[in-house]
Amino acid sequence: NAGVTQTPKFQVLKTGQSMTLQCAQDMNHNSMYWYRQDPGMGLRLIYYSASEGTTDKGEVPNGYNVSRLNKREFSLRLESAAPSQTSVYFCASGGSGNTIYFGEGSWLTVV
Amino acid sequence: EDKVVQSPLSLVVHEGDTVTLNCSYEVTNFRSLLWYKQEKKAPTFLFMLTSSGIEKKSGRLSSILDKKELFSILNITATQTGDSAIYLCAVEALGASGTYKYIFGTGTRLKVLA
Repeated sequence: NAGVTQTPKFQVLKTGQSMTLQCAQDMNHNSMYWYRQDPGMGLRLIYYSASEGTTDKGEVPNGYNVSRLNKREFSLRLESAAPSQTSVYFCASGGSGNTIYFGEGSWLTVV
Repeated sequence: EDKVVQSPLSLVVHEGDTVTLNCSYEVTNFRSLLWYKQEKKAPTFLFMLTSSGIEKKSGRLSSILDKKELFSILNITATQTGDSAIYLCAVEALGASGTYKYIFGTGTRLKVLA
């Protein structure tokens, strides 16, 4: 029962470096989401994908790109990391009109 | 702009107390409202509400939705230290491209003292 799997769990980056957060789900869900969580800010939507081949911007998309590689996988890329992108990142998936399920989170620090 | 607002931001109570957490929203084409509990890591699902006035209940937790006044409440009775967590409210709403997305509030941090 893997559910939603994110990698890596922890990462330290230097300012300007790039990296990709990977996410995969095995629940055959159409929709997948990337959120970031900062203290006192709740979960803010970065990008989401309603189906394979489509992606949409959320509340805070600047500085990020995404790829919906297939139905299972949805990756988040930081092209040039900035200290403001230090955060906890959560991937989630869900079917239309149903609850969404979260991965365990990825702790990212940009120094 | 879609908005989900939770109150209070934080709350400290003693074991045995009853608490009420609030969630109000302004979104385009509301479809559902969800409550989550977050302890150390990923949020875990509590309730999904789609219809007004129908209470959902699970043990000491219950929730209800008012679609006319655009809010929901989460009640926890006889609180225990294990209820200490961040409680998140999310609303499923229509995005600009015609697909649905989930918008979260800032959460309510609940601490229950023994």
